[in-house]
Amino acid sequence: QKEVEQNSGPLSVPEGAIASLNCTYSDRGSQSFFWYRQYSGKSPELIMFIYSNGDKEDGRFTAQLNKASQYVSLLIRDSQPSDSATYLCAVTGSGGSNYKLTFGKGTLLTVNP
Amino acid sequence: NAGVTQTPKFQVLKTGQSMTLQCAQDMNHNSMYWYRQDPGMGLRLIYYSASEGTTDKGEVPNGYNVSRLNKREFSLRLESAAPSQTSVYFCAGAGGGGYEQYFGPGTRLTVT
Repeated sequence: QKEVEQNSGPLSVPEGAIASLNCTYSDRGSQSFFWYRQYSGKSPELIMFIYSNGDKEDGRFTAQLNKASQYVSLLIRDSQPSDSATYLCAVTGSGGSNYKLTFGKGTLLTVNP
Repeated sequence: NAGVTQTPKFQVLKTGQSMTLQCAQDMNHNSMYWYRQDPGMGLRLIYYSASEGTTDKGEVPNGYNVSRLNKREFSLRLESAAPSQTSVYFCAGAGGGGYEQYFGPGTRLTVT
């Protein structure tokens, strides 16, 4: 059973701080990694994807991937109250299952003004 | 572009009734997916279609059927609804070079 694990939270940070969200995965053959943001009552929205080891930055968001440790993280700099949401980590399967995503259960982030 | 659309947005069914959830995309996605999301369970894959003309079971297919009508449309049918199928259902599409999936707005289904 392929698994994606996330700390369920809630993770609470003050406005302007860095929020760090973490995810581990069990399938060593996974090649593509995604972060989705889901506001309460809404659908998941893709915010970042990363395929290679290292960091990928997009505005206030940085995704970090370490395939050897089977670990992916999302950093949100200068956190804003509008960043308060559940963040879902998703990982592709390996081999013929690379078009299917396995999702973690999500981490609830609260940014306090 | 509308992206991925789903109808209806809300539905209440009685146990034993049937219904079809509709999904359409205008993003030229090859692959389409149906998920359900329940509190504490996360997103679980019900069925998927890797390409037009193919469908396969996901993690929780029991009680559901799907049809990939054409490249744009992928429907999910509940033949005899049960209270355990009360959930939020999301359709997603992917393709065009990457594996990232884009979600529709969801259907909130209650079975009494």
